[in-house]
Amino acid sequence: DTGVSQNPRHKITKRGQNVTFRCDPISEHNRLYWYRQTLGQGPEFLTYFQNEAQLEKSRLLSDRFSAERPKGSFSTLEIQRTEQGDSAMYLCASSPPGRNYEQYFGPGTRLTVT
Amino acid sequence: GIQVEQSPPDLILQEGANSTLRCNFSDSVNNLQWFHQNPWGQLINLFYIPSGTKQNGRLSATTVATERYSLLYISSSQTTDSGVYFCAGDLSGAGSYQLTFGKGTKLSVIP
Repeated sequence: DTGVSQNPRHKITKRGQNVTFRCDPISEHNRLYWYRQTLGQGPEFLTYFQNEAQLEKSRLLSDRFSAERPKGSFSTLEIQRTEQGDSAMYLCASSPPGRNYEQYFGPGTRLTVT
Repeated sequence: GIQVEQSPPDLILQEGANSTLRCNFSDSVNNLQWFHQNPWGQLINLFYIPSGTKQNGRLSATTVATERYSLLYISSSQTTDSGVYFCAGDLSGAGSYQLTFGKGTKLSVIP
């Protein structure tokens, strides 16, 4: 069990470009969550999946953001037409069946939009 | 209004000292948890504590749900305890466990 992994760890992009992040949850974990964390703040919920179904999306998730989990394993988060306000740490977490309160976080992807 | 509020925002301790971190939450918050974010950004869950008291080594936590607060105790602090401590709870009430985090307490333990 290698824990939740996220790639890339860092991404620098120019305003207006599209970016995609990947999250690999812990094996057998059925739920996968995405959070965003800006400097000096706690993480904020973006969206979550149970298996391949996206069950809830925060109002923070504008229409420039899309997340997928096509086979119920890894997930991707895409941001289109990035803005400077998108600069943040993007965190992924997964939780096991029957213990969904037990969220295991990945190391995050730090996005900087210039 | 604020649903998960933490205090103090910053704390500096000498190694070996004890501390208490507090989390106040609204009555809509369930499934309270405590996390530690190390200086490299990794979030580690410390306690799932919707009510009662739990202990794990030098750390313990108590949640009094009827009074809507939780406390995290750190005894004999070490430099490795440095980082940000967050409490978080589930406001959805729908079993999604989407967590709402407080702003955290930044702890610095100096040798």
